[in-house]
Amino acid sequence: AQSVSQHNHHVILSEAASLELGCNYSYGGTVNLFWYVQYPGQHLQLLLKYFSGDPLVKGIKGFEAEFIKSKFSFNLRKPSVQWSDTAEYFCAVTMFSGGYNKLIFGAGTRLAVHP
Amino acid sequence: KAGVTQTPRYLIKTRGQQVTLSCSPISGHRSVSWYQQTPGQGLQFLFEYFSETQRNKGNFPGRFSGRQFSNSRSEMNVSTLELGDSALYLCASSFPEVAGASETYNEQFFGPGTRLTVL
Repeated sequence: AQSVSQHNHHVILSEAASLELGCNYSYGGTVNLFWYVQYPGQHLQLLLKYFSGDPLVKGIKGFEAEFIKSKFSFNLRKPSVQWSDTAEYFCAVTMFSGGYNKLIFGAGTRLAVHP
Repeated sequence: KAGVTQTPRYLIKTRGQQVTLSCSPISGHRSVSWYQQTPGQGLQFLFEYFSETQRNKGNFPGRFSGRQFSNSRSEMNVSTLELGDSALYLCASSFPEVAGASETYNEQFFGPGTRLTVL
């Protein structure tokens, strides 16, 4: 079945620590990949996306993600987190189904950053 | 440009009732998707509408339905509400796609959601 897995449901870090959130998907076709973030009380917003080209993509607020096709992965990274990065992070992957692309989300990872 | 708007923002219903949620996409966007967000389940895809036609559907029972109007505004309806339907319902819109395109995809812009509580 087409699915997206986020391995960490809850992550707790101290400020300045490095972050890596895992995302794997199960689909053999061409994919587009996204990371969305939901800050407390706010809309879901796009952090970064990969459509094609350089597999290392940079997003807003110092986040980056690397697409490794052979591993079906799109992990999110940030070298030094801040308290303001406390949020829920969702990986999403487009998968072709029924003639059109469908966007499948992972279950999300709640990140808490302590000062 | 105004963002995606959803009304109402909060709703409390009792079991067995039905509910209609509304979504107004960003001007010019013709694709509207609906998602159910619950703790631990993340976002579950409900359905997508494009040019007034449902072209994609998730694995939800028939109690969940939707429609899209000629101005791209969309509504979703849940009949015979159950306690498990309590969730945040999100609407997302995206730019027009070329009809029949299989490999292109456009970023989705999300609304604030409607928080539905079923008692």
